[in-house]
Amino acid sequence: EPEVTQTPSHQVTQMGQEVILRCVPISNHLYFYWYRQILGQKVEFLVSFYNNEISEKSEIFDDQFSVERPDGSNFTLKIRSTKLEDSAMYFCASNRAGGPQETQYFGPGTRLLVL
Amino acid sequence: SQQGEEDPQALSIQEGENATMNCSYKTSINNLQWYRQNSGRGLVHLILIRSNEREKHSGRLRVTLDTSKKSSSLLITASRAADTASYFCATDVLTTDSWGKLQFGAGTQVVVTP
Repeated sequence: EPEVTQTPSHQVTQMGQEVILRCVPISNHLYFYWYRQILGQKVEFLVSFYNNEISEKSEIFDDQFSVERPDGSNFTLKIRSTKLEDSAMYFCASNRAGGPQETQYFGPGTRLLVL
Repeated sequence: SQQGEEDPQALSIQEGENATMNCSYKTSINNLQWYRQNSGRGLVHLILIRSNEREKHSGRLRVTLDTSKKSSSLLITASRAADTASYFCATDVLTTDSWGKLQFGAGTQVVVTP
């Protein structure tokens, strides 16, 4: 069964460094999302992406964050200058189309630790 | 206001028993989805129920939705130790300009002991 994949599974970085988190959504899906989950807290929406542009973003998704679909398969989240509070599990998700019947499928996550 | 609040926060049961957890939300929705998360792992989709549906089944899972009360329940029947996980409801909030922004609750931690 097709699934969303994410790399790396774990990343440790120094504060102020740039990180790029990578996702490969399910191949026939058109809508892509990033969420994050700080340890012990709720999963929070960051951004949605469709047709090569951001559809919606949360207040968390400030100028330090960007997303890109550099080719036909990858979807990336870049954090330009990481802060301690960016430490979290980052989940990529995708679905086939917009609409109320569409399930969002999540990847296994990237655990980011900023020191 | 917070969307998608689960209750109880934690549930401990014996294998073979049923587990029921509830989710309440505040605004109109397109759909409500239930996910499972094993400790520190990814989110596994369990079931989606649309706003015009009242009940859905999938294997040992039964989900109900009451849009008049803005609440949903997830029932796991004949629980197994492998059902030990956190369970989250996530609402796809009805808006005019976007689909798919899921809002998650804090989850119910379920422990099933053999």
